[in-house]
Amino acid sequence: QKEVEQDPGPLSVPEGAIVSLNCTYSNSAFQYFMWYRQYSRKGPELLMYTYSSGNKEDGRFTAQVDKSSKYISLFIRDSQPSDSATYLCAMSAYGGGSNYKLTFGKGTLLTVNP
Amino acid sequence: GAVVSQHPSRVICKSGTSVKIECRSLDFQATTMFWYRQFPKQSLMLMATSNEGSKATYEQGVEKDKFLINHASLTLSTLTVTSAHPEDSSFYICSAGQYSNQPQHFGDGTRLSIL
Repeated sequence: QKEVEQDPGPLSVPEGAIVSLNCTYSNSAFQYFMWYRQYSRKGPELLMYTYSSGNKEDGRFTAQVDKSSKYISLFIRDSQPSDSATYLCAMSAYGGGSNYKLTFGKGTLLTVNP
Repeated sequence: GAVVSQHPSRVICKSGTSVKIECRSLDFQATTMFWYRQFPKQSLMLMATSNEGSKATYEQGVEKDKFLINHASLTLSTLTVTSAHPEDSSFYICSAGQYSNQPQHFGDGTRLSIL
């Protein structure tokens, strides 16, 4: 079983739809949870960062963490064509020294159709 | 804030060439930087953790003599792919975080093609 599981999609939705992206994990040591957006041939861009169970909202984006179920989600409201990208969940655990290593999901390719 | 710059963005070179990639934190100091490799339609795989002023820590299966990492200052880490071969062709991405438990911010990556 991989440490982080993410459905790679692809996911195609009409403009204005609510998008739900999910990841599950098996490592209880994960303490911090992130969502990144990656456009083609670019580096990942941080969207959301949280470390506690519950919801965190930032504009059209809501991150949800359920540590008891080892499950995280990203919701995108009023999706726009510019949201079309690959969305990566990432989690970090203490990796020794002063370092927290990131473990990524495989990424979900999202296309928002105008 | 938290901008990471990576250069070059694209390299095409002959087999046997050594290639150096630079990663800079522009508006913060980073005692730790990370180097990743990403194959098409795959996720990011951590190659090594670069610590300022000390040796890098490599992940299992990553050849430290092939991928030389230097972190000489708090704003610059370099990855040198030595004697590159076609199988080294990939997308290499660096990241840095302002503090050890803060989220990492990524450069725009370097697409390396070895002919």
